[in-house]
Amino acid sequence: KAGVTQTPRYLIKTRGQQVTLSCSPISGHRSVSWYQQTPGQGLQFLFEYFSETQRNKGNFPGRFSGRQFSNSRSEMNVSTLELGDSALYLCASSFYGRARIDEQFFGPGTRLTVL
Amino acid sequence: EDQVTQSPEALRLQEGESSSLNCSYTVSGLRGLFWYRQDPGKGPEFLFTLYSAGEEKEKERLKATLTKKESFLHITAPKPEDSATYLCAAPVAQGGSEKLVFGKGTKLTVNP
Repeated sequence: KAGVTQTPRYLIKTRGQQVTLSCSPISGHRSVSWYQQTPGQGLQFLFEYFSETQRNKGNFPGRFSGRQFSNSRSEMNVSTLELGDSALYLCASSFYGRARIDEQFFGPGTRLTVL
Repeated sequence: EDQVTQSPEALRLQEGESSSLNCSYTVSGLRGLFWYRQDPGKGPEFLFTLYSAGEEKEKERLKATLTKKESFLHITAPKPEDSATYLCAAPVAQGGSEKLVFGKGTKLTVNP
């Protein structure tokens, strides 16, 4: 069974640009969550999508957005990049998206560097 | 505010030297506690879920326990391949759904 895949694995962008990251969940999983990981803040929840609907959102500015397609694949977009957006972006998939009963399986992440 | 705090931030052990990692939480209506392992350059790998105080789970040299206020990850006779960052997380209800709140992790180094 294939795991969660994320593309690209590495990205270098400059301030002001925008970026789109992609996540393909485990087959059959309908929930995709996105996290930002930095050395200072650790793993922070961005948002969760379930059956193409955003069901939950963390405390991030509106520059961070996402969507989910009918095949459960998800994309996240960051517009007007800032230096502080440099981070490892992780996506995780689960079957139900109920965090307390449903293990989340993480992808390898996309390392974004903003210059 | 729902918070998950891990200690120590970093831990160095000699191979075979047992120890414990701590995860304390202030989450109202705790619905479970998750432990993950993360290797450099990789995403977190699921280890355990604990649902109620007193529950214990084991996997090879790792044993996770849960009380009403904290969880411990006990590592018995560790090997160098156990070196990784260990993360704990608590599910928090939000917006009709749930999200995971993570601690900042404990970086474990096991020297041969």
